[in-house]
Amino acid sequence: DAGVIQSPRHEVTEMGQEVTLRCKPISGHDYLFWYRQTMMRGLELLIYFNNNVPIDDSGMPEDRFSAKMPNASFSTLKIQPSEPRDSAVYFCASSLGETNTGELFFGEGSRLTVL
Amino acid sequence: GNSVTQMEGPVTLSEEAFLTINCTYTATGYPSLFWYVQYPGEGLQLLLKATKADDKGSNKGFEATYRKETTSFHLEKGSVQVSDSAVYFCALKSVTGGFKTIFGAGTRLFVKA
Repeated sequence: DAGVIQSPRHEVTEMGQEVTLRCKPISGHDYLFWYRQTMMRGLELLIYFNNNVPIDDSGMPEDRFSAKMPNASFSTLKIQPSEPRDSAVYFCASSLGETNTGELFFGEGSRLTVL
Repeated sequence: GNSVTQMEGPVTLSEEAFLTINCTYTATGYPSLFWYVQYPGEGLQLLLKATKADDKGSNKGFEATYRKETTSFHLEKGSVQVSDSAVYFCALKSVTGGFKTIFGAGTRLFVKA
């Protein structure tokens, strides 16, 4: 079974450009999470979805960030306009079921560099 | 709110040494506790978990025991290998936290041959 698939693996862009990161969760998983990882702040939860519906977006840093999940097999995280401080590794993760015992399955991440 | 605190790294050990990475947590209710591992260039993957007090999670020679009285979940391994070099994250998940997984800052482990 394929794991969580993210694209692109690496993105280098200039300040002010739009960035779109993509994620395909594991088939059958009903929760999808977007995390950001930086040296200074560690792993931060940005937003998560249940059955394609955003449940908690309190971690989204500002209005420049938006996330969508149009169907059960696809989600996007968009940054517009991008800034150098957005440089980070962005991870998508999925899980099954609303329990406190379930594990997260992570993709390999998208490394974003904003010049 | 819920939070996880783990020892700062990096931790540098020689092969076959004993490993301990400390983790303490703050949470209301009865959280589940996890250790995730991140190898270079990869995403996190579950190493082990424990879902109630006094449970011991174990995998690949690593162990951690859920200690409610000390709110701790320390990771241990009796004899580390070079291939264990990675970043280790302690995490918790609870119903009072909306089932969100909260991660510690991570501890980088280097194992020398």
